[in-house]
Amino acid sequence: IAGITQAPTSQILAAGRRMTLRCTQDMRHNAMYWYRQDLGLGLRLIHYSNTAGTTGKGEVPDGYSVSRANTDDFPLTLASAVPSQTSVYFCASSGERANRQFFGPGTRLTVL
Amino acid sequence: RKEVEQDPGPFNVPEGATVAFNCTYSNSASQSFFWYRQDCRKEPKLLMSVYSSGNEDGRFTAQLNRASQYISLLIRDSKLSDSATYLCVVLPPASQGNLIFGKGTKLSVKP
Repeated sequence: IAGITQAPTSQILAAGRRMTLRCTQDMRHNAMYWYRQDLGLGLRLIHYSNTAGTTGKGEVPDGYSVSRANTDDFPLTLASAVPSQTSVYFCASSGERANRQFFGPGTRLTVL
Repeated sequence: RKEVEQDPGPFNVPEGATVAFNCTYSNSASQSFFWYRQDCRKEPKLLMSVYSSGNEDGRFTAQLNRASQYISLLIRDSKLSDSATYLCVVLPPASQGNLIFGKGTKLSVKP
């Protein structure tokens, strides 16, 4: 692994299903983030974690949950997917809050 | 007023042209400023930080005007490969959250 990876690359999901988007980084960054990007709305922060064991809510946290059991992994879970959660999801990490963020390649999620 | 606002775009320019993007931010106490680049269907990547004294990286020049809460990005001698969406990004004070991304300005450089 070099940098930050996400899985799956894309997914079509039936409404009501549970889904976990995976994110792994090998840069030993303390901070990690989940964003969604929608046309006309730009990048919006869903949840973040400043360090392993802690998480915080971003701008649009409803319907999503995260965990940070270790430094490398930051999964995002949709407990019961709805069509409005159709979006491109980006995971990112940074060494410090004010430093540059490195983004993963994204997951394209479609909820039908 | 939205927290970070950018020129609506899209900008369609010929190769070799000089193009400027503008961005305004609402929180006067914001700490740091960046320009990110995002290619179509790809992830955003840091293009450059923006320093108070202005800074240059090759054909790219970034400037900050704290009094007017205004950030700019100038691209000289545009290349086809500069075609992308440029995101203005602002870091508020430590107690007020994480990076705030503008919606982006799309640039298309034509032959």
